Amino acid sequence: QSALTQPASVSGSPGQSITISCTGTSSDIGNYKYVSWYQQHPGKAPKLMIYDVSNRPSGVSDRFSGSKSGNTASLTISGLQAEDEADYYCNSYTSSNTWVFGGGTKLTVL
Amino acid sequence: QVQLVQSGAEVKEPGASVKVSCKASGYTFTDYYIHWVRQAPGQGLEWMGRINPNTGGTKYEQKLQGRVTMTRDTPISTAYMELSSLRSDDTAVYYCARGQYIHNYVGDWGQGTLVTVSS
Repeated sequence: QSALTQPASVSGSPGQSITISCTGTSSDIGNYKYVSWYQQHPGKAPKLMIYDVSNRPSGVSDRFSGSKSGNTASLTISGLQAEDEADYYCNSYTSSNTWVFGGGTKLTVL
Repeated sequence: QVQLVQSGAEVKEPGASVKVSCKASGYTFTDYYIHWVRQAPGQGLEWMGRINPNTGGTKYEQKLQGRVTMTRDTPISTAYMELSSLRSDDTAVYYCARGQYIHNYVGDWGQGTLVTVSS
């Protein structure tokens, strides 16, 4: 199973909005609603930010939102804050009953 | 509160095996999958597989088939991941994480275990 495709890096200024894309295939993102997004700060374990494409766990800011169209999922962060600077990974369930992660996107808050 | 506490860092020679443990507390161990995810230095996350602690059933990432074994010891609420025939590119932080049976995400993670493969 090949990794999902994410941009290596994105950046934005405080207060702005950014979107991170995650492209898969009809064997993963395109055929299932099971897309999740994880935030990882350096040296820390990942943290769940979005599950089932667009749902936020309790405690996650509503500045984070998710969506999906066809084989591509997206994570949008609005009102960027310095603390949002981190690596972000998408994840999808696959037709092989396995999971696959994206390669990760480094978000820089300018 | 839910806690997943992993065993300590390991240094192994190429060709050896490593077994990492993940002790769960704060919930009913048999009610959730344990997933294993690894991260090579400076690289992304890689899903390795999962175990159903209730049945012992497993599902592994295809590229690791034959080298990875996930087991559990339910009386002590501990899951294990053993990786054999270690190579230098197996050097990584290995995480265990808890996921519900009916959902495809994990909400709780262990602290990670660094496994270094070096001669």
